[in-house]
Amino acid sequence: EAGVVQSPRYKIIEKKQPVAFWCNPISGHNTLYWYRQNLGQGPELLIRYENEEAVDDSQLPKDRFSAERLKGVDSTLKIQPAELGDSAVYLCASSLVRGESYEQYFGPGTRLTVT
Amino acid sequence: SQQGEEDPQALSIQEGENATMNCSYKTSINNLQWYRQNSGRGLVHLILIRSNEREKHSGRLRVTLDTSKKSSSLLITASRAADTASYFCATDDKIIFGKGTRLHILP
Repeated sequence: EAGVVQSPRYKIIEKKQPVAFWCNPISGHNTLYWYRQNLGQGPELLIRYENEEAVDDSQLPKDRFSAERLKGVDSTLKIQPAELGDSAVYLCASSLVRGESYEQYFGPGTRLTVT
Repeated sequence: SQQGEEDPQALSIQEGENATMNCSYKTSINNLQWYRQNSGRGLVHLILIRSNEREKHSGRLRVTLDTSKKSSSLLITASRAADTASYFCATDDKIIFGKGTRLHILP
């Protein structure tokens, strides 16, 4: 079974530039998550989708971040414009939510460096 | 604020020894999960314990849950070099991870 696929794996951009990350979840998983992880910290949830609906985006900085999950499968996370503080690893995860139990499967992440 | 907080922040033990790390959380939960993160395999789910369970085993892992104290512990027995990683707990409430425990297994 293929895991969660993310691209690119690494991205270096100058501040004020736009950047986009792509995620392909595990086939059949109805829930998709985007996290940001700073060095030495745990993952911080940015947004959670159930199928096509964003059910929790309370931690997403909406002035510069946007996300979409078309057709309830792939997802894109965009930052425009990027700031120095956005440098982090952006993780995508997916799960098949059954009742109260859901194990998240994580992708390898995209390491973003903003200069 | 973080829902899950792991303790200690860092732990170094000799290979073969047992490692125990703890997690505290703040609100009622349906389940609590432990994850491991290392440079080789990224973030990997280890074990899930439901709120009506008190203890669960998986291989060399033993997890306990005390809902009255809002805490959980992860015990890794007979540690190996491959166990060197950061360990996070996560709760279902808002899927908020703690800062993690960095475990280092000494040869």
